[in-house]
Amino acid sequence: SQTIHQWPATLVQPVGSPLSLECTVEGTSNPNLYWYRQAAGRGLQLLFYSVGIGQISSEVPQNLSASRPQDRQFILSSKKLLLSDSGFYLCAWSVPPRDGYTFGSGTRLTVV
Amino acid sequence: AQSVSQHNHHVILSEAASLELGCNYSYGGTVNLFWYVQYPGQHLQLLLKYFSGDPLVKGIKGFEAEFIKSKFSFNLRKPSVQWSDTAEYFCAVRGAYNTDKLIFGTGTRLQVFP
Repeated sequence: SQTIHQWPATLVQPVGSPLSLECTVEGTSNPNLYWYRQAAGRGLQLLFYSVGIGQISSEVPQNLSASRPQDRQFILSSKKLLLSDSGFYLCAWSVPPRDGYTFGSGTRLTVV
Repeated sequence: AQSVSQHNHHVILSEAASLELGCNYSYGGTVNLFWYVQYPGQHLQLLLKYFSGDPLVKGIKGFEAEFIKSKFSFNLRKPSVQWSDTAEYFCAVRGAYNTDKLIFGTGTRLQVFP
């Protein structure tokens, strides 16, 4: 069956520290992968998406970056976290063209 | 650019009341439409989706949504809500023929009281 793993579930990091959030997908090949951030009252904001290994598209300018080193692995990173990076980060995958997205359980990031 | 508007930010209902959550989108071409639900402490789940065909779509847990193309709307409905429907609801749109990016609305928080 198809599953998506996202870790860690919660993370508290000091300002200026690096970040690495990992997402892996099982049970499917060549999925589209996505990173979203969910902030209270702002819904889900698409940060990055990837249609293949090494192919990353950024939706909004920010302090974050993404990489896809393997077909089913998607990593969200930052070299130096800002307070404004706090939020709930969700990874998702889809197999286009006619499917919805499947979301991971998310990572609650608090930058202090 | 695609956008989605959910005008009801917070809805409070009593059990057995009827529900309608508004969703309007902005996009110039053919769209796929979705409603997702996030129960407290749980991850996002797909409630229902519309790709083509019958504009009245039925989803899980008694929810339905109607696509009205002329109004660019995809409102979510349920005739009788339950306490267990307390959750946050997100409408989302994706262009049917461009890259596969799902754009979400800001969400509607539904609280149902017994």
